[in-house]
Amino acid sequence: TQLLEQSPQFLSIQEGENLTVYCNSSSVFSSLQWYRQEPGEGPVLLVTVVTGGEVKKLKRLTFQFGDARKDSSLHITAAQPGDTGLYLCAAYSNYQLIWGAGTKLIIKP
Amino acid sequence: EAGVAQSPRYKIIEKRQSVAFWCNPISGHATLYWYQQILGQGPKLLIQFQNNGVVDDSQLPKDRFSAERLKGVDSTLKIQPAKLEDSAVYLCASSSSFPNEQFFGPGTRLTVL
Repeated sequence: TQLLEQSPQFLSIQEGENLTVYCNSSSVFSSLQWYRQEPGEGPVLLVTVVTGGEVKKLKRLTFQFGDARKDSSLHITAAQPGDTGLYLCAAYSNYQLIWGAGTKLIIKP
Repeated sequence: EAGVAQSPRYKIIEKRQSVAFWCNPISGHATLYWYQQILGQGPKLLIQFQNNGVVDDSQLPKDRFSAERLKGVDSTLKIQPAKLEDSAVYLCASSSSFPNEQFFGPGTRLTVL
């Protein structure tokens, strides 16, 4: 079974701090997706990374795909309360989207 | 453009009872997915439809779960009989085709007592 392991499971920080969350696997993926899920809502796609070493930026969020396409990171600069949510990574395996367990992020004002 | 609609939003039942969930995908989306998300875990695909045909139901517990997508639009997911371990959020998603971006509904939170 190909697994996506996310760390940390839970992170609570003050507004204005920086943070990085990780998504790791022993398997190679052709692409990897990051989602944010807010309470009572479904996940919303933030970004898809495709090329090994690729870096994509979405405002204060920076996503990186590992050179070997086995891992990815999400860095948030100057976190804001609006960044609070569950951050999930996902990747296709055997034509099915498999998901990590997520990092629950709380940004305190 | 309207998003994916799901109902009900919440459901509480006792074990061994039956329950059904409804999903209306984004108009024109050919692919529809049902996921189960247990607290503290990521979503797990239960079944994937392409129009009104089943593409993948390998993780659907077929002894108690069933799903249909009549006319290739709306879909229903049924659990009969429910078990305690079925307590979860059931998410419906749709995409214009596979493997394009999936758009998720708000989910139905099921509690089995």
